[in-house]
Amino acid sequence: SAVISQKPSRDICQRGTSLTIQCQVDSQVTMMFWYRQQPGQSLTLIATANQGSEATYESGFVIDKFPISRPNLTFSTLTVSNMSPEDSSIYLCSVGVVSAYEQYFGPGTRLTVT
Amino acid sequence: TQLLEQSPQFLSIQEGENLTVYCNSSSVFSSLQWYRQEPGEGPVLLVTVVTGGEVKKLKRLTFQFGDARKDSSLHITAAQTGDTGLYLCAGPALNKLIFGTGTLLAVQP
Repeated sequence: SAVISQKPSRDICQRGTSLTIQCQVDSQVTMMFWYRQQPGQSLTLIATANQGSEATYESGFVIDKFPISRPNLTFSTLTVSNMSPEDSSIYLCSVGVVSAYEQYFGPGTRLTVT
Repeated sequence: TQLLEQSPQFLSIQEGENLTVYCNSSSVFSSLQWYRQEPGEGPVLLVTVVTGGEVKKLKRLTFQFGDARKDSSLHITAAQTGDTGLYLCAGPALNKLIFGTGTLLAVQP
């Protein structure tokens, strides 16, 4: 397993600004993922964070809006850029320890954009 | 596109009742997982089922993988308030997971 922490746990931001969310893992992992979730609903994968190369984005998500960094095997950041109220959501990072198919999740960052 | 549909979408029951949550797809999956997410937390992996027809038990929770590996079910016996949360099934696809639509369970005392 893995222990994942996220910062901040929640934030309220003004439209037009950007927020960077940090994800820290207690062990080296190959695969890290970023998700978005509306409360009470399922998860939507934003991108896979690759160490040493650009992130792989899912359809509907672009690097200019959600730039991702992965400087090493224990840390990643997701930036939500030029925010609008539609970006209000819970953002979760996860890791695949043995494979991408059994994931461990951080507690999430609850973002509200006003 | 592989989709995982869960039913019901919402479920509110009294403590002590039994319930079943379903996860269905038109695609075959090599395995399926179930996660539970409590309010304010990230999802936590409960179980992975791999073999068609497989049944796994985790205390009061029973998980079954369909014979054709297109569906799975989660049965909870004598639900407790601590079972409250969002239940998600998930299946593997090209180095990522596809998550089901989710079932929000509320167990009332």
